[in-house]
Amino acid sequence: DGGITQSPKYLFRKEGQNVTLSCEQNLNHDAMYWYRQDPGQGLRLIYYSQIVNDFQKGDIAEGYSVSREKKESFPLTVTSAQKNPTAFYLCASSSPDLPILMNTEAFFGQGTRLTVV
Amino acid sequence: DQQVKQNSPSLSVQEGRISILNCDYTNSMFDYFLWYKKYPAEGPTFLISISSIKDKNEDGRFTVFLNKSAKHLSLHIVPSQPGDSAVYFCAARDSGAGSYQLTFGKGTKLSVIP
Repeated sequence: DGGITQSPKYLFRKEGQNVTLSCEQNLNHDAMYWYRQDPGQGLRLIYYSQIVNDFQKGDIAEGYSVSREKKESFPLTVTSAQKNPTAFYLCASSSPDLPILMNTEAFFGQGTRLTVV
Repeated sequence: DQQVKQNSPSLSVQEGRISILNCDYTNSMFDYFLWYKKYPAEGPTFLISISSIKDKNEDGRFTVFLNKSAKHLSLHIVPSQPGDSAVYFCAARDSGAGSYQLTFGKGTKLSVIP
Protein backbone atom coordinates (compact mmCIF):
# COMPACT_ATOMS: atom_id res chain seq x y z
CA ASP A 1 0.00 0.00 0.00
CA GLY A 2 1.17 3.50 -0.75
CA GLY A 3 1.81 5.85 2.11
CA ILE A 4 4.21 7.80 4.27
CA THR A 5 6.26 6.13 6.94
CA GLN A 6 7.83 8.00 9.81
CA SER A 7 10.18 6.31 12.18
CA PRO A 8 10.58 5.93 15.03
CA LYS A 9 7.21 6.71 16.59
CA TYR A 10 8.82 7.72 19.88
CA LEU A 11 12.32 9.11 20.26
CA PHE A 12 14.27 10.26 23.26
CA ARG A 13 17.31 12.46 23.01
CA LYS A 14 19.75 13.82 25.50
CA GLU A 15 20.36 17.52 25.53
CA GLY A 16 23.17 18.56 23.23
CA GLN A 17 22.73 15.64 20.85
CA ASN A 18 21.62 15.75 17.25
CA VAL A 19 18.91 13.33 16.19
CA THR A 20 17.51 12.43 12.78
CA LEU A 21 13.87 11.64 12.10
CA SER A 22 13.10 9.46 9.13
CA CYS A 23 10.38 10.05 6.55
CA GLU A 24 9.84 7.79 3.55
CA GLN A 25 7.03 7.86 1.00
CA ASN A 26 6.16 5.52 -1.84
CA LEU A 27 3.47 7.71 -3.34
CA ASN A 28 5.80 9.09 -6.00
CA HIS A 29 5.10 12.58 -4.69
CA ASP A 30 7.44 15.39 -5.67
CA ALA A 31 6.86 17.59 -2.64
CA MET A 32 7.60 16.72 0.98
CA TYR A 33 7.21 18.71 4.17
CA TRP A 34 8.08 18.69 7.83
CA TYR A 35 5.75 20.18 10.40
CA ARG A 36 5.98 20.52 14.12
CA GLN A 37 2.96 20.38 16.41
CA ASP A 38 2.95 21.87 19.89
CA PRO A 39 -0.08 22.15 22.16
CA GLY A 40 -2.20 25.12 21.11
CA GLN A 41 0.10 25.93 18.19
CA GLY A 42 -1.36 23.98 15.34
CA LEU A 43 1.02 22.75 12.67
CA ARG A 44 4.03 24.91 11.88
CA LEU A 45 6.15 24.36 8.79
CA ILE A 46 9.82 23.61 9.41
CA TYR A 47 11.18 22.78 5.94
CA TYR A 48 9.77 21.73 2.61
CA SER A 49 11.12 20.31 -0.59
CA GLN A 50 9.43 20.52 -3.98
CA ILE A 51 11.97 18.47 -5.85
CA VAL A 52 14.99 16.26 -5.27
CA ASN A 53 18.14 18.09 -4.17
CA ASP A 54 16.20 21.22 -3.36
CA PHE A 55 14.56 22.38 -0.15
CA GLN A 56 13.35 25.60 1.42
CA LYS A 57 13.05 26.91 4.94
CA GLY A 58 9.61 27.12 6.45
CA ASP A 59 8.46 29.33 9.28
CA ILE A 60 10.52 27.75 12.07
CA ALA A 61 13.65 26.31 10.40
CA GLU A 62 16.18 27.43 13.01
CA GLY A 63 17.87 24.51 14.70
CA TYR A 64 16.81 22.03 12.02
CA SER A 65 18.38 20.67 8.86
CA VAL A 66 17.09 18.45 6.04
CA SER A 67 18.29 16.69 2.94
CA ARG A 68 16.49 15.46 -0.16
CA GLU A 69 18.85 13.12 -1.96
CA LYS A 70 16.08 10.79 -3.08
CA LYS A 71 12.51 11.50 -4.11
CA GLU A 72 11.09 9.11 -1.56
CA SER A 73 13.11 10.26 1.46
CA PHE A 74 13.18 13.53 3.40
CA PRO A 75 15.00 13.10 6.74
CA LEU A 76 14.90 15.84 9.35
CA THR A 77 17.79 16.45 11.74
CA VAL A 78 17.04 18.18 14.99
CA THR A 79 20.29 19.77 16.03
CA SER A 80 21.52 20.82 19.45
CA ALA A 81 20.86 24.41 18.36
CA GLN A 82 17.10 23.83 18.54
CA LYS A 83 16.12 25.34 21.87
CA ASN A 84 12.82 23.53 22.41
CA PRO A 85 13.00 20.28 20.47
CA THR A 86 10.41 18.35 22.46
CA ALA A 87 7.39 18.16 20.16
CA PHE A 88 5.35 15.99 17.81
CA TYR A 89 6.88 16.00 14.33
CA LEU A 90 4.83 15.30 11.22
CA CYS A 91 6.04 14.59 7.73
CA ALA A 92 3.80 15.08 4.72
CA SER A 93 3.97 14.73 0.97
CA SER A 94 1.91 15.97 -1.93
CA SER A 95 1.85 15.85 -5.68
CA PRO A 96 1.40 19.18 -7.39
CA ASP A 97 -1.02 18.48 -10.20
CA LEU A 98 -1.60 20.76 -13.06
CA PRO A 99 -2.63 24.14 -11.67
CA ILE A 100 -6.01 23.84 -13.30
CA LEU A 101 -6.82 20.81 -11.22
CA MET A 102 -5.69 22.12 -7.84
CA ASN A 103 -7.19 19.06 -6.28
CA THR A 104 -4.25 17.98 -4.22
CA GLU A 105 -4.17 17.26 -0.57
CA ALA A 106 -1.13 16.56 1.55
CA PHE A 107 -0.79 13.07 2.98
CA PHE A 108 0.67 12.84 6.44
CA GLY A 109 2.72 10.25 8.23
CA GLN A 110 1.83 9.02 11.70
CA GLY A 111 4.27 11.34 13.40
CA THR A 112 7.30 11.06 15.67
CA ARG A 113 7.12 12.17 19.28
CA LEU A 114 10.53 13.56 20.23
CA THR A 115 11.34 14.07 23.88
CA VAL A 116 14.53 15.65 25.16
CA VAL A 117 15.68 14.22 28.47
CA ASP B 1 0.97 37.11 11.86
CA GLN B 2 -1.50 34.27 11.68
CA GLN B 3 -2.88 33.93 8.20
CA VAL B 4 -5.32 31.15 9.08
CA LYS B 5 -7.29 31.51 12.27
CA GLN B 6 -9.49 29.09 14.12
CA ASN B 7 -10.75 31.19 16.97
CA SER B 8 -12.53 28.44 18.87
CA PRO B 9 -10.03 26.12 20.56
CA SER B 10 -12.80 23.71 21.49
CA LEU B 11 -16.41 22.84 20.73
CA SER B 12 -18.84 20.43 22.39
CA VAL B 13 -21.88 19.09 20.56
CA GLN B 14 -24.52 16.51 21.37
CA GLU B 15 -24.58 13.39 19.27
CA GLY B 16 -26.96 13.75 16.34
CA ARG B 17 -26.76 17.55 16.27
CA ILE B 18 -24.84 19.72 13.85
CA SER B 19 -21.20 20.65 14.48
CA ILE B 20 -20.01 23.88 12.91
CA LEU B 21 -16.30 24.61 12.88
CA ASN B 22 -15.16 28.00 11.70
CA CYS B 23 -12.02 29.28 10.05
CA ASP B 24 -10.96 32.76 8.95
CA TYR B 25 -8.07 33.74 6.74
CA THR B 26 -6.32 36.98 5.92
CA ASN B 27 -4.35 36.20 2.78
CA SER B 28 -6.51 36.98 -0.23
CA MET B 29 -4.16 34.94 -2.41
CA PHE B 30 -5.28 31.68 -0.83
CA ASP B 31 -7.21 29.76 -3.46
CA TYR B 32 -7.62 26.30 -2.01
CA PHE B 33 -8.81 25.29 1.43
CA LEU B 34 -8.72 21.99 3.23
CA TRP B 35 -9.93 20.47 6.47
CA TYR B 36 -7.97 17.82 8.30
CA LYS B 37 -9.01 15.65 11.21
CA LYS B 38 -6.47 14.58 13.78
CA TYR B 39 -6.56 12.09 16.63
CA PRO B 40 -3.97 12.30 19.44
CA ALA B 41 -0.52 10.95 18.56
CA GLU B 42 -1.53 10.36 14.95
CA GLY B 43 -0.99 12.21 11.71
CA PRO B 44 -3.80 14.39 10.33
CA THR B 45 -6.07 12.81 7.76
CA PHE B 46 -7.60 14.73 4.91
CA LEU B 47 -11.33 15.31 5.28
CA ILE B 48 -12.66 17.66 2.64
CA SER B 49 -11.50 20.56 0.52
CA ILE B 50 -12.86 23.45 -1.51
CA SER B 51 -11.49 25.55 -4.31
CA SER B 52 -11.95 29.30 -4.26
CA ILE B 53 -14.09 29.07 -7.38
CA LYS B 54 -16.79 27.31 -5.38
CA ASP B 55 -18.79 28.27 -2.33
CA LYS B 56 -19.84 24.83 -1.19
CA ASN B 57 -18.55 21.30 -1.29
CA GLU B 58 -20.34 18.34 0.21
CA ASP B 59 -19.16 14.83 1.02
CA GLY B 60 -21.55 12.69 3.01
CA ARG B 61 -22.01 14.17 6.46
CA PHE B 62 -19.39 16.83 5.82
CA THR B 63 -19.99 20.12 4.04
CA VAL B 64 -17.56 22.98 3.67
CA PHE B 65 -18.80 26.48 2.93
CA LEU B 66 -16.60 29.26 1.63
CA ASN B 67 -17.40 32.97 1.82
CA LYS B 68 -14.64 34.67 -0.11
CA SER B 69 -15.78 38.22 0.54
CA ALA B 70 -15.66 37.56 4.27
CA LYS B 71 -12.54 35.38 4.02
CA HIS B 72 -14.36 32.80 6.04
CA LEU B 73 -14.99 29.10 5.72
CA SER B 74 -16.83 26.65 7.85
CA LEU B 75 -17.12 22.89 8.18
CA HIS B 76 -20.52 21.43 8.97
CA ILE B 77 -20.87 17.91 10.29
CA VAL B 78 -24.40 16.53 10.27
CA PRO B 79 -25.29 14.45 12.17
CA SER B 80 -22.38 14.52 14.59
CA GLN B 81 -21.18 11.17 15.89
CA PRO B 82 -18.93 10.32 18.86
CA GLY B 83 -16.27 9.10 16.42
CA ASP B 84 -16.05 12.63 15.07
CA SER B 85 -14.41 13.72 18.32
CA ALA B 86 -10.96 14.93 17.26
CA VAL B 87 -9.00 18.07 16.53
CA TYR B 88 -9.93 19.68 13.23
CA PHE B 89 -7.41 21.79 11.36
CA CYS B 90 -8.27 24.28 8.68
CA ALA B 91 -5.56 24.75 6.05
CA ALA B 92 -5.10 27.06 3.09
CA ARG B 93 -2.85 27.22 0.08
CA ASP B 94 -1.71 29.87 -2.35
CA SER B 95 -1.23 27.86 -5.55
CA GLY B 96 0.16 30.84 -7.38
CA ALA B 97 3.07 31.15 -4.98
CA GLY B 98 4.87 28.35 -6.77
CA SER B 99 4.69 25.85 -3.97
CA TYR B 100 1.96 23.71 -2.57
CA GLN B 101 2.70 24.22 1.09
CA LEU B 102 -0.24 24.54 3.40
CA THR B 103 -0.77 27.13 6.10
CA PHE B 104 -2.63 25.68 9.06
CA GLY B 105 -4.82 27.13 11.74
CA LYS B 106 -4.28 26.17 15.37
CA GLY B 107 -7.10 23.66 15.36
CA THR B 108 -10.45 23.20 17.07
CA LYS B 109 -11.02 20.27 19.38
CA LEU B 110 -14.46 18.83 18.77
CA SER B 111 -16.10 16.70 21.44
CA VAL B 112 -19.29 14.90 20.47
CA ILE B 113 -21.19 13.88 23.56
CA PRO B 114 -23.22 10.64 23.36
